[in-house]
Amino acid sequence: ETGVTQSPTHLIKTRGQQVTLRCSSQSGHNTVSWYQQALGQGPQFIFQYYREEENGRGNFPPRFSGLQFPNYSSELNVNALELDDSALYLCASSLATSGLDTQYFGPGTRLTVL
Amino acid sequence: AQSVTQLDSHVSVSEGTPVLLRCNYSSSYSPSLFWYVQHPNKGLQLLLKYTSAATLVKGINGFEAEFKKSETSFHLTKPSAHMSDAAEYFCVIGGGADGLTFGKGTHLIIQP
Repeated sequence: ETGVTQSPTHLIKTRGQQVTLRCSSQSGHNTVSWYQQALGQGPQFIFQYYREEENGRGNFPPRFSGLQFPNYSSELNVNALELDDSALYLCASSLATSGLDTQYFGPGTRLTVL
Repeated sequence: AQSVTQLDSHVSVSEGTPVLLRCNYSSSYSPSLFWYVQHPNKGLQLLLKYTSAATLVKGINGFEAEFKKSETSFHLTKPSAHMSDAAEYFCVIGGGADGLTFGKGTHLIIQP
């Protein structure tokens, strides 16, 4: 069974640019959630996708957007990058959308905005 | 809204002594609660979860946690600390379409 994978591992961008981060869910999981973890903080929920539709969103502006594909892989897109977007971005997959379902995390993508 | 408060930002124990990491929660309904661990430069790993089946929850690597509704607490314990337990620990509540809500984390230091 393959776990959650994310690419790239590290990324450096400049302010105002756009970035796309990618995630492959654990086999059999149809739900993916994205989190932002700033240095020294706990992760914060960005949004969740279920069967290619966004079905939940945290307190993040619209320049954070996502996609989920038929094979349940996912992308996180961030437009107009700001310095404060520098963080570890974590993807998590789960069997379904219930709060009872465990979310399994990938290793993350470290984004640095200069 | 649901939330968790981790009462200690840092905890230091000697190897072989008990570990106690404290977490209080706030929720207007029966919550799902989790403890995750994050080792340096590694992803988050689930230690254990509570979903109302039993109040004492056993997890991996000898960790356990007890759900106490009267105290709104979900403290994490381990009888004997090992050097490999040194990491950041997160108490987490929620899930589903509202996502998980993480505490600020407790940094566990193990003294030799």
